[in-house]
Amino acid sequence: GQNIDQPTEMTATEGAIVQINCTYQTSGFNGLFWYQQHAGEAPTFLSYNVLDGLEEKGRFSSFLSRSKGYSYLLLKELQMKDSASYLCAVRGEADKLIFGTGTRLQVFP
Amino acid sequence: GAVVSQHPSWVICKSGTSVKIECRSLDFQATTMFWYRQFPKQSLMLMATSNEGSKATYEQGVEKDKFLINHASLTLSTLTVTSAHPEDSSFYICSASGSGGVDTQYFGPGTRLTVL
Repeated sequence: GQNIDQPTEMTATEGAIVQINCTYQTSGFNGLFWYQQHAGEAPTFLSYNVLDGLEEKGRFSSFLSRSKGYSYLLLKELQMKDSASYLCAVRGEADKLIFGTGTRLQVFP
Repeated sequence: GAVVSQHPSWVICKSGTSVKIECRSLDFQATTMFWYRQFPKQSLMLMATSNEGSKATYEQGVEKDKFLINHASLTLSTLTVTSAHPEDSSFYICSASGSGGVDTQYFGPGTRLTVL
């Protein structure tokens, strides 16, 4: 079966660093995506990993370990506007994206 | 990045009526389009995959006679919710996939459907 797990909610303080974990078990793996979604809006692309290791993109970094079925999204220098849901998604067979449950992040001043 | 539009952005309809949602890729040709549904505080659930010129492939548990998908051209796919009921009220999001690249799915802004 397909299973992608993330924590449901997280809180952090402005200026801090937060790590959002994602574990997955899927049939087929063609890369892992992280998306940001604000309430009532469509997801926006943050990062993509297909090989093991860390991908850095400004304040956001994403890590992948295929052998462990594990990824994390690291957000540095948190800002209030980073309060959103963060979705982990695995691209499986036929280019389908399988989404995790999403992590609702709340940033406090 | 590539642009995908959806129309309407929101719709309210009476129970028993049908609603059509359009998804357009504005600046690229989408060989594949995906339709998702998202209930409040939940993640996106894939409903179906549509390829231009062929029948859509529905995920398990999604009624193909209720959710009609047409992908008549490389830039347009439509989802029709037939005989809508209040439990069909949800946020419907489409995404379009082009010829490849890292971020191969570009999401539309979503359509909020409320069935009274």
